[in-house]
Amino acid sequence: QVTLKESGPVLVKPTETLTLTCTVSGFSLSNARMGVSWIRQPPGKALEWLAHIFSNDEKSYSTSLKSRLTISKDTSKSQVVLTMTNMDPVDTATYYCARINQLLWLSFDYWGQGTLVTVSS
Amino acid sequence: DIQMTQSPSSVSASVGDRVTITCRASQGISSWLAWYQQKPGKAPKLLIYAASSLQSGVPSRFSGSGSGTDFTLTISSLQPEDFATYYCQQANSFLPIFGPGTKVDIK
Repeated sequence: QVTLKESGPVLVKPTETLTLTCTVSGFSLSNARMGVSWIRQPPGKALEWLAHIFSNDEKSYSTSLKSRLTISKDTSKSQVVLTMTNMDPVDTATYYCARINQLLWLSFDYWGQGTLVTVSS
Repeated sequence: DIQMTQSPSSVSASVGDRVTITCRASQGISSWLAWYQQKPGKAPKLLIYAASSLQSGVPSRFSGSGSGTDFTLTISSLQPEDFATYYCQQANSFLPIFGPGTKVDIK
C-alpha cells in the first residue's frame, strides 16, 4: 500500500524558511520509474506544482519559485524534504507531496493528505 | 512555460446529466495530459492519464479525449459523488502545470 505523509510547521513567520518533510511507504525512492513532487494549494485556489525529485537525484523546480526552493531526498529514510526560503503571507497554502509515476505518463497517482501552512507574524 | 486553461470555470448540473469539461494547452503536448478530481478538504485523485487512459479503480462513466492542445473530460452520467472540482495537468515536460480548475456543482 502506497502512502505519503507530509509533516512540518503549521505556522511560520514572514521571512522565515519553511521545511517540509514527505515520508513515503509502499514504494522506494530508488525506484527508477517514480519520483516525488511537492504541490501547493492556497485556500480556495488552484493547484500549483513546486518541485520534484527522481531516483537518480534529477530535480526540477517551478520557474517562478526556483530561487526560493530546494528539494532533496534521503532514500534510506524514505523521505523527501522541501525547503522554501523567505516565506510571505501569500505562501499560505496546503502543501501536498505526491508520487509522480513515469509508467502513467508523469501523472500524480498517489497524494499525501496535505498540510496547511499559515504564514503570519 | 506551457499554460493551461479550462472551460467552463464552473458548471451546474443534475444527477444523470452528461458533463463535458475542456482543457487547452498553450502549445502542443501530444497526449501528455492528466485529469484529477478534488473534493473539499481532500487531496486530488487521479482519474485519467495519457489523455484517455482510465486510472485503475475509476468508474467508466469518466472518459478523456484529445491530443495536441485540446482535451476533454466527460462524465457520461453525473452521480452525487461526482460533485467536485476537476483539474487538468500537462505532463509533457518535467515542469508540470495544472489548469485553473472546473467546479461541478448541483443545479
